[in-house]
Amino acid sequence: GAVVSQHPSRVICKSGTSVKIECRSLDFQATTMFWYRQFPKKSLMLMATSNEGSKATYEQGVEKDKFLINHASLTLSTLTVTSAHPEDSSFYICSAGSGASSYEQYFGPGTRLTVT
Amino acid sequence: LAKTTQPISMDSYEGQEVNITCSHNNIATNDYITWYQQFPSQGPRFIIQGYKTKVTNEVASLFIPADRKSSTLSLPRVSLSDTAVYYCLVGEGGGFKTIFGAGTRLFVKA
Repeated sequence: GAVVSQHPSRVICKSGTSVKIECRSLDFQATTMFWYRQFPKKSLMLMATSNEGSKATYEQGVEKDKFLINHASLTLSTLTVTSAHPEDSSFYICSAGSGASSYEQYFGPGTRLTVT
Repeated sequence: LAKTTQPISMDSYEGQEVNITCSHNNIATNDYITWYQQFPSQGPRFIIQGYKTKVTNEVASLFIPADRKSSTLSLPRVSLSDTAVYYCLVGEGGGFKTIFGAGTRLFVKA
């Protein structure tokens, strides 16, 4: 199946700094990418939908100014956690769909963010 | 988006068949049913997808009744490595947003 990568896999940052997480579709073009957050022993929570060339659509309760999403190309979406705080520590996962013709979402391996 | 309901957890023994049922009473005509497996600190992994009746691949079978208001994932002869969380998702497909339910935590014992 199609492959989605994330970088970095783990990151530790100090409170108040910003962290950028990359999500790439390696062998297909992703018109839409999704960003999820997952806390320990909890399900994935959809944060936003990222569409290539347009603004992301954020789910209710997710601050768009804190979680900046850029989908600059058909193979890359980035999530920047700005002014990170310890409560932002979580597992961030992206997924990509290649459009209505494909009924499967392809998930990345996740990025573990720890804010100290 | 259709909401899904699954058992929170299930226990099984190695070699047994495991069936996990998911309810999705509000499934729409265009919705597909997809099951994912997730291990700790990893992204979900696709298991199987179907629209109606029965689908089988090398790792699982998916049974969908005619009314499509539920589905059952069947894992034949589970092993310890099948211990994971299993999610049932209902939606229009890859390009459309999907909401995860709580999932079913399967624990396989020796």
